Amino acid sequence: AQSVAQPEDQVNVAEGNPLTVKCTYSVSGNPYLFWYVQYPNRGLQFLLKYITGDNLVKGSYGFEAEFNKSQTSFHLKKPSALVSDSALYFCAVRLRYYGNNRLAFGKGNQVVVIP
Amino acid sequence: IAGITQAPTSQILAAGRRMTLRCTQDMRHNAMYWYRQDLGLGLRLIHYSNTAGTTGKGEVPDGYSVSRANTDDFPLTLASAVPSQTSVYFCASSLNPGLRGTDTQYFGPGTRLTVL
Repeated sequence: AQSVAQPEDQVNVAEGNPLTVKCTYSVSGNPYLFWYVQYPNRGLQFLLKYITGDNLVKGSYGFEAEFNKSQTSFHLKKPSALVSDSALYFCAVRLRYYGNNRLAFGKGNQVVVIP
Repeated sequence: IAGITQAPTSQILAAGRRMTLRCTQDMRHNAMYWYRQDLGLGLRLIHYSNTAGTTGKGEVPDGYSVSRANTDDFPLTLASAVPSQTSVYFCASSLNPGLRGTDTQYFGPGTRLTVL
């Protein structure tokens, strides 16, 4: 089945340290990948996406993600985490169903940035 | 520009009652979607609409119906609510449903629904 997996439930990181949130995918053909962030009691906000081209994608709020085809991964990264980055992060892949632009989401990773 | 608005923000509903969740977007997006978010399951697609006048079933459509009479509105109806429909519901939209570069989905603030 086509899907994404986020293997960690929670990621704890000290403020100022690098942040990595992991995502692996399983799709046929070329994947079309997204990262979203959800702050408490809010909807999902789009961070970045990979369509094609450069494997390093830069997005909002200083986040970037690296597409790695050999490892089927699309990890989200930030060089220096802020307390305000504490949120729920979702990886998603667009599934190639005719007429259906469905996004398949991972279960989400809770990121806690410790002051 | 408001983007996507959803109403109500939250609702407690007795089982067996009918409920309509409202979703309105002002971005003139062609495609709209309804997802439900449950702990440990991420978001799952309920129904979608690629353009006004058309709708389709997503991953978990049973017990839900939608309509798309115009571009802006995409209401989700629970004809007879059951406790398993307790969830947070998100509406989303995208400019075009399948064209790369214009199919990023943008989400509303959500509706928290509790069915007792």
